Amino acid sequence: GAVVSQHPSWVICKSGTSVKIECRSLDFQATTMFWYRQFPKQSLMLMATSNEGSKATYEQGVEKDKFLINHASLTLSTLTVTSAHPEDSSFYICSAETGGISYEQYFGPGTRLTVT
Amino acid sequence: AQSVAQPEDQVNVAEGNPLTVKCTYSVSGNPYLFWYVQYPNRGLQFLLKYITGDNLVKGSYGFEAEFNKSQTSFHLKKPSALVSDSALYFCAVRADSGAGSYQLTFGKGTKLSVIP
Repeated sequence: GAVVSQHPSWVICKSGTSVKIECRSLDFQATTMFWYRQFPKQSLMLMATSNEGSKATYEQGVEKDKFLINHASLTLSTLTVTSAHPEDSSFYICSAETGGISYEQYFGPGTRLTVT
Repeated sequence: AQSVAQPEDQVNVAEGNPLTVKCTYSVSGNPYLFWYVQYPNRGLQFLLKYITGDNLVKGSYGFEAEFNKSQTSFHLKKPSALVSDSALYFCAVRADSGAGSYQLTFGKGTKLSVIP
């Protein structure tokens, strides 16, 4: 099956610094990638949708200047949390869609971000 | 707008007994429905999906789900629960067409505990 990886799997950073999270589709080309945020014991909240070579589409309430998304190729999307604060601490999950008729999103293992 | 309701925060079932995790949805147009499972500190794993065709869908690990259009439901079932099935289960829906139809909307999740 299609595999999506994320790096790093966990990261601790100091308040005010920036953190980059990578999402890669390992064995397929992803026309669309999605970034989700999950708080403890809660559901996944879509943050943004990105298509290769174009600007990401952010969901209402998500600060695009704070959460920078770059979808540089069909196999790589990055999420950069700029000037991180403790309230940005969360579990960030990416997913990738192959397009076509499968309609499936393949999810990465997630990245645990802790801002101290 | 599309939405998913998982009315139970937690479901407890004895090992060997049948299990049901409930899901109802609301979407404009025809629904594409999915079930995912999440283990602690992990991403989501795909279990099964309904796109079209037979209302009874069989998926991974012995799980199945029945699409009921009149009741707008897509309950997840398994005839005999295993302790290893204990996890967090998410139902998700997307529309078959329209703006943002590729976006998944998740339910809040149901924690399944299988008691030995």
